[in-house]
Amino acid sequence: DSGVTQTPKHLITATGQRVTLRCSPRSGDLSVYWYQQSLDQGLQFLIQYYNGEERAKGNILERFSAQQFPDLHSELNLSSLELGDSALYFCASSRDRGVGKTQYFGPGTRLLVL
Amino acid sequence: SQKIEQNSEALNIQEGKTATLTCNYTNYSPAYLQWYRQDPGRGPVFLLLIRENEKEKRKERLKVTFDTTLKQSLFHITASQPADSATYLCALASGGSYIPTFGRGTSLIVHP
Repeated sequence: DSGVTQTPKHLITATGQRVTLRCSPRSGDLSVYWYQQSLDQGLQFLIQYYNGEERAKGNILERFSAQQFPDLHSELNLSSLELGDSALYFCASSRDRGVGKTQYFGPGTRLLVL
Repeated sequence: SQKIEQNSEALNIQEGKTATLTCNYTNYSPAYLQWYRQDPGRGPVFLLLIRENEKEKRKERLKVTFDTTLKQSLFHITASQPADSATYLCALASGGSYIPTFGRGTSLIVHP
């Protein structure tokens, strides 16, 4: 158990809908990272927050957004969902944002868009 | 463009043997490289980190080498066990960016 929690575990929804994925980092970790993992793309970095502020952006679509709250939990919002958004979404956390900091991954949310 | 290559074919080995997985990269100047283990449907688990100025790192039955001239890292599991069966991901981060880029991973299957 990494100490990172994600809810829900599974999500089935329809195209065009909007969903929210939630992540609670390990106790004391200030950085939260979101990743998308699909069969054809591998693990892709989406976005990182550090202590409530956006720090780095990866291949995140405009339809996706995220935020980190004062209690350090984070939410990833996916809107106008398409079939291709079906994937595993992982949250990871680390103590800070320095180079070489180990990331601890949550169990993931499996999203299926029908 | 930057590329990280891991063998997409599964590596099948017999229990007790040493498993060796390869991570090659191009157009990168990595500050460090990490190896993660991922079981089906679960999040990656960090195993080892090696920095650009280090040649080798060990942790119990695991050993990682890092050759910045060959642009390659090798990941070894000695005395492999069926419980080592999983997908192993390598991840690189360049100097100035602490966000690792992951390879697609190589599946390891250890047969009893």
